[in-house]
Amino acid sequence: QKEVEQNSGPLSVPEGAIASLNCTYSDRGSQSFFWYRQYSGKSPELIMSIYSNGDKEDGRFTAQLNKASQYVSLLIRDSQPSDSATYLCAVRGSGGYQKVTFGIGTKLQVIP
Amino acid sequence: DAGVTQSPTHLIKTRGQHVTLRCSPISGHKSVSWYQQVLGQGPQFIFQYYEKEERGRGNFPDRFSARQFPNYSSELNVNALLLGDSALYLCASSLGGQAGEKLFFGSGTQLSVL
Repeated sequence: QKEVEQNSGPLSVPEGAIASLNCTYSDRGSQSFFWYRQYSGKSPELIMSIYSNGDKEDGRFTAQLNKASQYVSLLIRDSQPSDSATYLCAVRGSGGYQKVTFGIGTKLQVIP
Repeated sequence: DAGVTQSPTHLIKTRGQHVTLRCSPISGHKSVSWYQQVLGQGPQFIFQYYEKEERGRGNFPDRFSARQFPNYSSELNVNALLLGDSALYLCASSLGGQAGEKLFFGSGTQLSVL
């Protein structure tokens, strides 16, 4: 079982729609969860962090966490073509040095 | 303030050669992590350093080594390069020693091994 699992996509949504990106993780003791956006040829950029069960909103982005189900999601409202990128789910583990493990990333395509 | 800086931006090497990649963290950050990202995959953890000490190591061969200097900058060294070492090498900076702290990435070094 992979530590952090994501569907690689591509996920295609029309402009203005809601994009829903999902992630599951295996370390039940994990406490910190992150979403990064990575444009082609660029490095990952942190867009959301979440530490408690429930929803966290920041502008058009909402991160959702369910620790009981070991599930993290990212919703992007009013999707724009500029949101087209790969979205990486990252989880900080519960081990001694709490390394951050990344999923494969989901490629999002927003169609104008 | 400057973000995480990495050098060089691009590098071309041949099999068997050695390479050194450099990273300067965000001012005030004491921890540096190194990741390898192969095209189409997520970043894979290589090393984490905090206060000049190795705190963690990923599943990479001993050809990979790193160190952190008193000013918190870091070097990643790879010996006896293989074709499979071709990847984007990412350095991530964090405050260090804090629960739930966030990683901030540099622009990366694109290594091509021919």
